[in-house]
Amino acid sequence: DAGITQSPRHKVTETGTPVTLRCHQTENHRYMYWYRQDPGHGLRLIHYSYGVKDTDKGEVSDGYSVSRSKTEDFLLTLESATSSQTSVYFCAISESPGQGKSPLHFGNGTRLTVT
Amino acid sequence: QKEVEQDPGPLSVPEGAIVSLNCTYSNSAFQYFMWYRQYSRKGPELLMYTYSSGNKEDGRFTAQVDKSSKYISLFIRDSQPSDSATYLCAMKTNAGKSTFGDGTTLTVKP
Repeated sequence: DAGITQSPRHKVTETGTPVTLRCHQTENHRYMYWYRQDPGHGLRLIHYSYGVKDTDKGEVSDGYSVSRSKTEDFLLTLESATSSQTSVYFCAISESPGQGKSPLHFGNGTRLTVT
Repeated sequence: QKEVEQDPGPLSVPEGAIVSLNCTYSNSAFQYFMWYRQYSRKGPELLMYTYSSGNKEDGRFTAQVDKSSKYISLFIRDSQPSDSATYLCAMKTNAGKSTFGDGTTLTVKP
């Protein structure tokens, strides 16, 4: 799993509550990503980070925020969870995505259900 | 229209069969091509990575890229029940932006 740990692995929460998902890596890679995976939509990028305190939006960032205070940790927060955010969330890391052989490596996901 | 279109499946084959998984793309900026395998309740795992037209072989797996036709394929020879998974194609630009296909679910029956 390329040294990526996601927590929690499963979460059930109620609409309107805040939720934070954590990604921890031991590879010292500069880039970290949050994706969501839904049937019919594949993997979609939510936010990514290119260094400590450096983050940017992906294609489906509305309703999500992120923070990266240390190289190894990347947090995804749903400020007020909605049922449309029920999904499987994957963290990924990459060494230097713009250069040659540097593909994404994924964690095992967090399955989030918003009731 | 999506930048990456993947044959949807599902695909069911007998053990020992040759499997062909396919994706097409529309963005000429894609320079790197990947195949990921995803087992149920797990994250995608990098299977093959290539950046040029032609074939790349790794054991029973062969990745084929045709940039002129914007078409990539993954071939699995002598398929095994352990190959049963969802396969995702992915493509990356020089700027590092990755785009994924929706995945093809493969079942190999003993």
